[in-house]
Amino acid sequence: DIQMTQSPSSLSASVGDRVTITCRASQSISNYLNWYQQKPGKAPKLLIYAASNLQSGVPSRFSGSGSGTDFTLTISSLQPEDFATYYCQQSYSTPWTFGQGTKVELK
Amino acid sequence: EVQLVESGGGLVQPGGSLRLSCAASGFTFSSYWMHWVRQVPGKGLVWVSHINSDGSTTNYADSVKGRFTISRDNAKNTLFLQMNSLRDEDTAVYYCARDSGNDHDYWGQGTLVTVSS
Repeated sequence: DIQMTQSPSSLSASVGDRVTITCRASQSISNYLNWYQQKPGKAPKLLIYAASNLQSGVPSRFSGSGSGTDFTLTISSLQPEDFATYYCQQSYSTPWTFGQGTKVELK
Repeated sequence: EVQLVESGGGLVQPGGSLRLSCAASGFTFSSYWMHWVRQVPGKGLVWVSHINSDGSTTNYADSVKGRFTISRDNAKNTLFLQMNSLRDEDTAVYYCARDSGNDHDYWGQGTLVTVSS
């Protein structure tokens, strides 16, 4: 199975901050990398698919980059509604695997 | 509007069985692969199983292989997960999710399965 490792596991940030979360795959996954946002008690929400494509309806402050084994999710200016947990996921091969999550908290 | 609504969760004893359902609406269900993903409360997301659009191909996580069966009824726009020989470690919220082509673009609200004596 492909292992996905996110860093950091948690971070504290303020409204307006630029936030970067990284995700590393244990082998090359081309651009088969997705990012999800999850708020407490809610289902995950797709933010970015195929490494850098913004899902419809997702604010443009979210962006994704990378290919191969190293990927990044960037929030250009953190908003109050962005405090949540973020997960990366590889869909290169079955089983699709998720990173352990990065919790973004208010500083 | 795409909607996925899970049902069938609850409390079950170890070794017992449960059948989850996911009712789909707002899209052509028979055209999409579908998945089950689970999450232990407070923990991360874990993919469980997927099924192709006509139900002829399925895949499972090693942790549930031989115990869980995914199926679908395209005439009733419903996805199922039959869970047998349940273990304590199967306790989780189970989500159904649509596959738009290498991602999960829509998710249900989840249904909680608790395995405990």
